[in-house]
Amino acid sequence: DTEVTQTPKHLVMGMTNKKSLKCEQHMGHRAMYWYKQKAKKPPELMFVYSYEKLSINESVPSRFSPECPNSSLLNLHLHALQPEDSALYLCASSQVPGQGAYEQYFGPGTRLTVT
Amino acid sequence: QKEVEQDPGPLSVPEGAIVSLNCTYSNSAFQYFMWYRQYSRKGPELLMYTYSSGNKEDGRFTAQVDKSSKYISLFIRDSQPSDSATYLCAMSANTGFQKLVFGTGTRLLVSP
Repeated sequence: DTEVTQTPKHLVMGMTNKKSLKCEQHMGHRAMYWYKQKAKKPPELMFVYSYEKLSINESVPSRFSPECPNSSLLNLHLHALQPEDSALYLCASSQVPGQGAYEQYFGPGTRLTVT
Repeated sequence: QKEVEQDPGPLSVPEGAIVSLNCTYSNSAFQYFMWYRQYSRKGPELLMYTYSSGNKEDGRFTAQVDKSSKYISLFIRDSQPSDSATYLCAMSANTGFQKLVFGTGTRLLVSP
């Protein structure tokens, strides 16, 4: 089963709100990723977790706070966002390098609108 | 110069046509090559994955990698209207972590 699930599908939030995006995978992958995608652009990497530890932070503003509570779950906590943060937020997972294939599987995304 | 170049299209073809989608890249360290299909407002769906050079076939889809020319292709045979989507190439080097570098995506329109 090559499925990554994300909730919610859509989220509208004000600039003072706090909200969280959730991602879950049951493929036994130990690497999980958050990407941001603007319209007509490719996904941009935000964070990478490997074995539940943050491995890469692509200089993302602190108003985005990732969390990996266990090997299947990945959260992205949002606080004091700006309208320009409106985008499709994608979660992905893969094997950890050195443990097999490297392909990343993406979830359906959460469409975030900041008002 | 971008690391990965991909023609944004749109590429319009009639149903049944053979479609050729391409990417060129500049980083000779890239060894892992992927093609994703993305429908509007959905997440990218992995179509093909190739390690190093060569061809790989899956149903109507064939992926080719030519590392000597730094050129990868995706061929779609007997294209269907349901193939209308944006196709993203992605690649990464074997440098210890999986940072994918994406092309900008090619929008494909298959008309009935």
